[in-house]
Amino acid sequence: AQSVTQLDSQVPVFEEAPVELRCNYSSSVSVYLFWYVQYPNQGLQLLLKYLSGSTLVESINGFEAEFNKSQTSFHLRKPSVHISDTAEYFCAVSLIQGAQKLVFGQGTRLTINP
Amino acid sequence: DAGVIQSPRHEVTEMGQEVTLRCKPISGHDYLFWYRQTMMRGLELLIYFNNNVPIDDSGMPEDRFSAKMPNASFSTLKIQPSEPRDSAVYFCASSLGTDGVLEQYFGPGTRLTVT
Repeated sequence: AQSVTQLDSQVPVFEEAPVELRCNYSSSVSVYLFWYVQYPNQGLQLLLKYLSGSTLVESINGFEAEFNKSQTSFHLRKPSVHISDTAEYFCAVSLIQGAQKLVFGQGTRLTINP
Repeated sequence: DAGVIQSPRHEVTEMGQEVTLRCKPISGHDYLFWYRQTMMRGLELLIYFNNNVPIDDSGMPEDRFSAKMPNASFSTLKIQPSEPRDSAVYFCASSLGTDGVLEQYFGPGTRLTVT
């Protein structure tokens, strides 16, 4: 079975500071990796995904994540955050072969302070 | 497209009552997922359908929960009888089969409070 661990439940940072949200996964087979974002009182939205190829993937709003197979990690980073990035961020995995479902981590609440 | 539509957005009910949550997936999507989100347990997959057929219901907590998908454009999640511990936000999501699980589109959720 797959599992996802997000190491920080809350991350407070100041506006324009860099941020890293950590995600580690466990799986005996190859997986796809995702980051979803949930803004207050909304559903989740896909932020970025790693399927294959380059281990560094980027989103349109400046976030990036790097797949590290040896460390089974998929950390999310942004060099300079904005107030509007305040949200909860979820890391998720799915099997490449087999069950068509996502396994989510517990989420990391990112709070941006002015 | 309007996205995934869920109704009601908020539901407050008394313990023992039947609750029905509704979901309309994005047109053309053939996967539908029901999730429950709580502070204690995070985001849990309850059940998912492919082409209206339930594929995996291993996340359904107990027999009080049931889900149906009578057609490609409508699904329900029913709790009967409801209990205070069922209080949570319930999300419906859909995705396109050719993409598999590669991107799920979530609805806004139904916040259920059972008193």
